[in-house]
Amino acid sequence: NAGVTQTPKFRILKIGQSMTLQCTQDMNHNYMYWYRQDPGMGLKLIYYSVGAGITDKGEVPNGYNVSRSTTEDFPLRLELAAPSQTSVYFCASNRLNTGELFFGEGSRLTVL
Amino acid sequence: AQTVTQSQPEMSVQEAETVTLSCTYDTSESNYYLFWYKQPPSRQMILVIRQEAYKQQNATENRFSVNFQKAAKSFSLKISDSQLGDTAMYFCAFMIPFHPNFGNEKLTFGTGTRLTIIP
Repeated sequence: NAGVTQTPKFRILKIGQSMTLQCTQDMNHNYMYWYRQDPGMGLKLIYYSVGAGITDKGEVPNGYNVSRSTTEDFPLRLELAAPSQTSVYFCASNRLNTGELFFGEGSRLTVL
Repeated sequence: AQTVTQSQPEMSVQEAETVTLSCTYDTSESNYYLFWYKQPPSRQMILVIRQEAYKQQNATENRFSVNFQKAAKSFSLKISDSQLGDTAMYFCAFMIPFHPNFGNEKLTFGTGTRLTIIP
């Protein structure tokens, strides 16, 4: 099983550019999440989704957008990239009420 | 809002020794889950151990065990016979299961403890 797959693993953006981080899971999980991890910090929730067509904001949603057109895919869109969005981004998924998240390998984004 | 506190930013221990990582949390809920996640230098986060709050017995997974003190809101991780492969960031996390009043499940993470196993 592939689990949770994120692409790209690394990306450098210029200020004001836009991009999409892709996330796919093959475990038929209901829930999917996007977290960001800044140096020395824990993970902060950006957006999450409880199923296809349903998304909601987490703690730090500003500057990001998501969509969930299928159970498998949960892309994260960065509009007008800013240096404050330099971070490592993790996608994760789980089934309802199991508690265990399965994480992707992360995407390191640098905005210059 | 739930909070998770890990007061030890960094720790190091000799190989084969035992080490305990601390975690405290704050919540008014009685039903919740607690987790320890490990993030090796390769970066992918993996679950180490999980504890349901309604269970009095401390969870154990091979060399990993927890000391869950519900009244004190403490959830420490003990690693016995530490190995070089245990070198990683360790995150304590808290989650309330789906609840009509709180909505959907979301994990709250601590800031992590960087553990180094010294050969």
